[in-house]
Amino acid sequence: QVQLVQSGAEVKKPGASVKVSCKASGYTFTSYGISWVRQAPGQGLEWMGWISAYNGNTNYAQKLQGRVTMITDTSTSTAYMELRSLRSDDTAVYYCARHSGTSAGAFDIWGQGTMVTVSS
Amino acid sequence: QSALTQPASVSGSPGQSITISCTGSSSDVGSYNLVSWYQQHPGKAPKLMIYEGSKRPSGVSNRFSGSKSANTASLTISGLQAEDEADYYCCSFAGSSTYVFGTGTKVTVL
Repeated sequence: QVQLVQSGAEVKKPGASVKVSCKASGYTFTSYGISWVRQAPGQGLEWMGWISAYNGNTNYAQKLQGRVTMITDTSTSTAYMELRSLRSDDTAVYYCARHSGTSAGAFDIWGQGTMVTVSS
Repeated sequence: QSALTQPASVSGSPGQSITISCTGSSSDVGSYNLVSWYQQHPGKAPKLMIYEGSKRPSGVSNRFSGSKSANTASLTISGLQAEDEADYYCCSFAGSSTYVFGTGTKVTVL
């Protein structure tokens, strides 16, 4: 079945970096874009950025520009999101989500989420 | 990019209909027919319920419907059921390959 499986929970210190993976299966990886979305504890969803799995083009949310990098490895059908210079307010569940094939404006398949905790 | 505005909470009794609003601007909701809605149960990943404002993915109950007028999109749940109790988020394309989510609405079934 079509699914996205993310890497496990991470605990990082302020100033460190974290890299979360998102492995796709059940569909042609390069035919769909992937967005990353995060959710701080008890808070709403925040769109972080998008990557085309076809050509690697990216677009990041303005507030994260310079701290976030999204890449894909088409040989393993895996997307990665790296966030640098971590702060306590980066503590959140991070989701990858596939852009729908029928509508660019929707995310039809989501990963299970990866909890990233930033604490000294 | 500011989050789209949703009511913090909406409630209704089983069988009733409720509507959740999602207000944006002429830069997002008002400019594109690309509003989607997501249902999120506690501790779970969001689930796509509506896309392109009013279309339902396969498998989503027809009790869920969407609409849009100017800068405001709406999600209506008819025949409210206990399993509909969850958080709901709208999301809009905002141009230049960017997206913005709503603030989220907690739906309570009384």
